[in-house]
Amino acid sequence: GDSVTQMEGPVTLSEEAFLTINCTYTATGYPSLFWYVQYPGEGLQLLLKATKADDKGSNKGFEATYRKETTSFHLEKGSVQVSDSAVYFCALSKIYNFNKFYFGSGTKLNVKP
Amino acid sequence: DVKVTQSSRYLVKRTGEKVFLECVQDMDHENMFWYRQDPGLGLRLIYFSYDVKMKEKGDIPEGYSVSREKKERFSLILESASTNQTSMYLCASSPPPLRGGYEQYFGPGTRLTVT
Repeated sequence: GDSVTQMEGPVTLSEEAFLTINCTYTATGYPSLFWYVQYPGEGLQLLLKATKADDKGSNKGFEATYRKETTSFHLEKGSVQVSDSAVYFCALSKIYNFNKFYFGSGTKLNVKP
Repeated sequence: DVKVTQSSRYLVKRTGEKVFLECVQDMDHENMFWYRQDPGLGLRLIYFSYDVKMKEKGDIPEGYSVSREKKERFSLILESASTNQTSMYLCASSPPPLRGGYEQYFGPGTRLTVT
């Protein structure tokens, strides 16, 4: 079945370090791919998305490229800030299946000053 | 801005109680979803609804039921709460793909503790 695997955390970085959080997926057809972020005590917020192969999603300095050949959607940021500390979820959806989402287990990011 | 609200942020209930979690969205979305979030397990889909009075089981429906009498409101019901239902519950909504929306919009969550 459809699924998402992302790297386990926590990931601890110093401010201004480079961030990569790996995400790979298994799905038939042509899923859309997403990164969501969850700050402490809050619900999930959409960070970025890509709806077809080779699309690059970007927002707030974060980027991810939909790589069909490697079934990956890795999240990157060139210089993290303390305010980026949160849990990040990779997800896929199949729009012709009621827009059901499949989420990874989440990766906690801690950024130290 | 899309707004999804949940009736409570924190809830404490006793084993065996009937529990209602309410979710309301204000964007006329057809699809609504209930998830539970547990450490190390991510989000798991309990139930979803694609129209009023229509519902489908998700991956972990056992011990739960849902109700959708109006388009904007989707309720999750724990018929007889048990301690293993202690969790964070998240509601989400989305328009159908034909209306151009792909992402799901989430509420702030309800942290339920069953003692």
